Amino acid sequence: GENVEQHPSTLSVQEGDSAVIKCTYSDSASNYFPWYKQELGKGPQLIIDIRSNVGEKKDQRIAVTLNKTAKHFSLHITETQPEDSAVYFCAAFDSNYQLIWGAGTKLIIKP
Amino acid sequence: GAGVSQSPSNKVTEKGKDVELRCDPISGHTALYWYRQSLGQGLEFLIYFQGNSAPDKSGLPSDRFSAERTGGSVSTLTIQRTQQEDSAVYLCASSDRGHSNEKLFFGSGTQLSVL
Repeated sequence: GENVEQHPSTLSVQEGDSAVIKCTYSDSASNYFPWYKQELGKGPQLIIDIRSNVGEKKDQRIAVTLNKTAKHFSLHITETQPEDSAVYFCAAFDSNYQLIWGAGTKLIIKP
Repeated sequence: GAGVSQSPSNKVTEKGKDVELRCDPISGHTALYWYRQSLGQGLEFLIYFQGNSAPDKSGLPSDRFSAERTGGSVSTLTIQRTQQEDSAVYLCASSDRGHSNEKLFFGSGTQLSVL
């Protein structure tokens, strides 16, 4: 079955710098890769997603890249701001179209 | 309502007691999920409802856990004879899977503490 690994578990960056979080998946048939942001005391919220027929997708300061050959995808946040501090989760569909989640990355933005 | 609503937001119970957690999904959403999140950990899938189909219970950790969804809307997660290891945040999510929309909308969760 599908397995998703996420790195790093914690990432600390200076405000204004970029942050990159990486995920790998095991099932080459997976075709949908979302990223969710979870703020303290709240449920996760979808921030961006990508499908396997696309290599990159951008939404303002956030971008996701997908390398199907290597089976990995990454979240890029540019010009980080204090409100970007949160836990970020990647996920991928398994063969039953259920989301398999990464373990999460705690992003800390230092002032 | 505007989003997924979960109640209670916090629940403290004694070991051995039964608890019921409630989820009100977004109106019209056909899919409903329950997840468990232990402190500082990722999302552990528990159960999935899709329309009138039989639920996917493959994530339930033991027979002390059960869930139902009445009328295709409200769902209740029941934990019988609670144990300390059941302490976690229980998250509910819904989506409109019937229209090939995979986006999940999460509630804020129920923080369960078993003493």
